[in-house]
Amino acid sequence: QKEVEQNSGPLSVPEGAIASLNCTYSDRGSQSFFWYRQYSGKSPELIMFIYSNGDKEDGRFTAQLNKASQYVSLLIRDSQPSDSATYLCAVTEYGNKLVFGAGTILRVKS
Amino acid sequence: EAQVTQNPRYLITVTGKKLTVTCSQNMNHEYMSWYRQDPGLGLRQIYYSMNVEVTDKGDVPEGYKVSRKEKRNFPLILESPSPNQTSLYFCASSLKRTDTQYFGPGTRLTVL
Repeated sequence: QKEVEQNSGPLSVPEGAIASLNCTYSDRGSQSFFWYRQYSGKSPELIMFIYSNGDKEDGRFTAQLNKASQYVSLLIRDSQPSDSATYLCAVTEYGNKLVFGAGTILRVKS
Repeated sequence: EAQVTQNPRYLITVTGKKLTVTCSQNMNHEYMSWYRQDPGLGLRQIYYSMNVEVTDKGDVPEGYKVSRKEKRNFPLILESPSPNQTSLYFCASSLKRTDTQYFGPGTRLTVL
């Protein structure tokens, strides 16, 4: 079982819709959770981080964390074609190791 | 401007010819690491460094070496590159190991 799992996609949504990206992790003791966006051929860049259960909103982005169920999600409201990218989930596991998922490809169609 | 730089950005080489990919950060970060990214496998950590002269293996260290003689620099060395090391390489830095990672622009390496 992979430590951090994401559906590889591609996830296709129409412009203006809500895109929902999910990530599950294996370590119940995980404390920090990150979402990175990576455009094709470019380096990952941080979108959001979340440490506490519940929702965290930043503009069109909302991160949701449920530690009991060991999943973290990213919602993108009013999706734009410029949101088309690969989204990487990263989780700190076993105290001091940052583990990345393989990423979900998002395609927003205009 | 706060940044992580890598050089070269693109490199085509042949099997067995030693190469070094440089990485430098100007944010005074203690933690630096190298990742390789391959389709379907995501980012896999090669080596990391907690501080000057402190380095350790990540998940896929075979065939690679690193050094950390200065806080800002963390070069990746391939002593005898092989075709299975063809990949996209990223250097990253952060304040601590579990903090937000700041990535360099990437180095696309092809080993023939």
